[in-house]
Amino acid sequence: AQSVAQPEDQVNVAEGNPLTVKCTYSVSGNPYLFWYVQYPNRGLQFLLKYITGDNLVKGSYGFEAEFNKSQTSFHLKKPSALVSDSALYFCAVRDMSGYAGKSTFGDGTTLTVKP
Amino acid sequence: DTEVTQTPKHLVMGMTNKKSLKCEQHMGHRAMYWYKQKAKKPPELMFVYSYEKLSINESVPSRFSPECPNSSLLNLHLHALQPEDSALYLCASSPTIGDLNEQFFGPGTRLTVL
Repeated sequence: AQSVAQPEDQVNVAEGNPLTVKCTYSVSGNPYLFWYVQYPNRGLQFLLKYITGDNLVKGSYGFEAEFNKSQTSFHLKKPSALVSDSALYFCAVRDMSGYAGKSTFGDGTTLTVKP
Repeated sequence: DTEVTQTPKHLVMGMTNKKSLKCEQHMGHRAMYWYKQKAKKPPELMFVYSYEKLSINESVPSRFSPECPNSSLLNLHLHALQPEDSALYLCASSPTIGDLNEQFFGPGTRLTVL
């Protein structure tokens, strides 16, 4: 069985500071990892994904994520946070062992960026 | 058009009512999904359609009935719901089932069952 864990329910940072939202994963095969963001009363928006290749993945809105196989982590990062980055962030892993490639989401991390 | 639309945005219904949620996409995606999301929780997969055929039912109660009339439309018919079914219902699509593409999510329908 596959799973992802987001160890922090809440992350607070000041505007202009770097931010990190943590995600660790557990899979039996190759990891296929995604980050999504959800603004209040909205659906999820895709930020970036790791399938294979470079461990540093660049995505939308200046976000990037670092895949670390030895630590089984896929942390989301941004060099300089904006107040508008405040939202709920979900890490997800795709299980490609079955036909459907179902996604398993982490419990989410609420990011608050203060001016 | 890279958008998934959902109607209505909000729905309030009694436990004896019958209502439907609608989802539409025009990206040519052949996989469509229904998720249920409680506040501050991750989305929970309910149903997956692939090429208009139901591929996955995650043991959802029969009071929820999905329908995929064509490749662009996905409906969720609701009947005799319970108050605990109140949630945000999200529709999503992706090019095909079982690929490594991201899912495109609609804004959701906020359902309240009285």
